[in-house]
Amino acid sequence: EVQLVESGGGLVQPGGSLRLSCASSGFNFNNYSMNWVRQAPGKGLEWVSYITSSSSSIYYADSVKGRFTISRDNAKNSLYLQMDGLRADDTAVYFCARLVAMDVWGQGTTVTVSS
Amino acid sequence: QSVLTQPPSASGTPGQRVTISCSGSSSNIGSSYVYWYQQLPGTAPKLLIYMNNLRPSGVPDRFSGSKSGTSASLAISGLRSEDESDYYCGTWDSSQSGSWVFGGGTKLTVL
Repeated sequence: EVQLVESGGGLVQPGGSLRLSCASSGFNFNNYSMNWVRQAPGKGLEWVSYITSSSSSIYYADSVKGRFTISRDNAKNSLYLQMDGLRADDTAVYFCARLVAMDVWGQGTTVTVSS
Repeated sequence: QSVLTQPPSASGTPGQRVTISCSGSSSNIGSSYVYWYQQLPGTAPKLLIYMNNLRPSGVPDRFSGSKSGTSASLAISGLRSEDESDYYCGTWDSSQSGSWVFGGGTKLTVL
């Protein structure tokens, strides 16, 4: 079964850091580009970042550029999001999703930024 | 304010056909494929339509997508109570350094 499972969310103070992980299974992770997408409480979807299968191209939303870093480890079938300089408006459920089409999604991990 | 504009709400009765619009510009919908997602309450989004009008396996043919110029639409025919959900359009935007953009979402109510 094709599956994505996020982890690493939690409560963090403003200015703090978190590293999210997305573990994949059931498909050849090496061959697929990946995304991070977030959803603030009661709000719509917001794309965060995209990375190609070989990490050769990376894109970020303006709202996170310079603070968040996407990466992947194809040997571990895993995607990561390093989040630094967290702000209250980064509070959201963070999803990882496969391909530009976002054809497979994880269940999400919750990040809360609050003092 | 989302780059792609969707109506915040839509409604219909069982069996009806409803459409949800998604309006963009030449840098996004006008030059890229459009995708549609369904998000039931408390769950992750699900891909409903890809590359403007294609359905992933398992998606009923009651769902269809179309695109014309800088706008796109999602149509749901034979509306069912389980279609009550939030719907989002999305596409790549080639302005500046490139980014993916979503519409603000449309909450569909089945009356």
